Amino acid sequence: QSALTQPASVSGSPGQSITISCTGTNSDVGGYNLVSWYQQHPGKAPKLMIYEGSKRPSGVSNRFSGSKSGNTASLTISGLQAEDEADYYCCSYAGSSTWVFGGGTKLTVL
Amino acid sequence: EVQLVESGGGLVQPGGSLRLSCAASGFTFSSYWMHWVRQAPGKGLVWVSRINSDGRSTSYADSVKGRFTISRDNAKNTLYLQMNSLRAEDTAVYYCAREMATSFEKWGQGTLVTVSS
Repeated sequence: QSALTQPASVSGSPGQSITISCTGTNSDVGGYNLVSWYQQHPGKAPKLMIYEGSKRPSGVSNRFSGSKSGNTASLTISGLQAEDEADYYCCSYAGSSTWVFGGGTKLTVL
Repeated sequence: EVQLVESGGGLVQPGGSLRLSCAASGFTFSSYWMHWVRQAPGKGLVWVSRINSDGRSTSYADSVKGRFTISRDNAKNTLYLQMNSLRAEDTAVYYCAREMATSFEKWGQGTLVTVSS
């Protein structure tokens, strides 16, 4: 149950696009199409942004999109806005009814 | 409106026990798998445990296996986490979360557990 690997930080200017990567193994990210992404603002509970790799829950902006290639999943945010500044976490089902999160990525909107 | 409200956190000495509760409302609690996820101060999210809808199937992270027990009372719409043999590294905000399609769709506001002498 080793944590998935995410960059510690990413940044972008308003209106730009950024991508956050999430690297795992054949036992988690690569083995299932079950990666989810969460946004967390300081002092707040996480919010689901993407599930099953690329699906958006109702109410989540279509500026957020997810994809996967091999053992690496990605979250892309297009048209960056100030309110997107937050921590982002990926999570993958890891088999045997267990889940594993990434270490988190701090997004700064310049 | 879906609501998950955690309670039961607090300060406990190493080796001690604590039981967390998560009161659910606004949805049919007995139809959903539920989870506990924790976050140490300034650190990332860590999955802790999961229970299926009728409470008969559970799973745990290796770090808590044998020390923590997840359970639920569907008549009371409440999820529990019994935590025994607590260690300093268990200090964290504990969130309960409702599962949807193997993701954590709804979260509570969290309850802080501090393990310290």
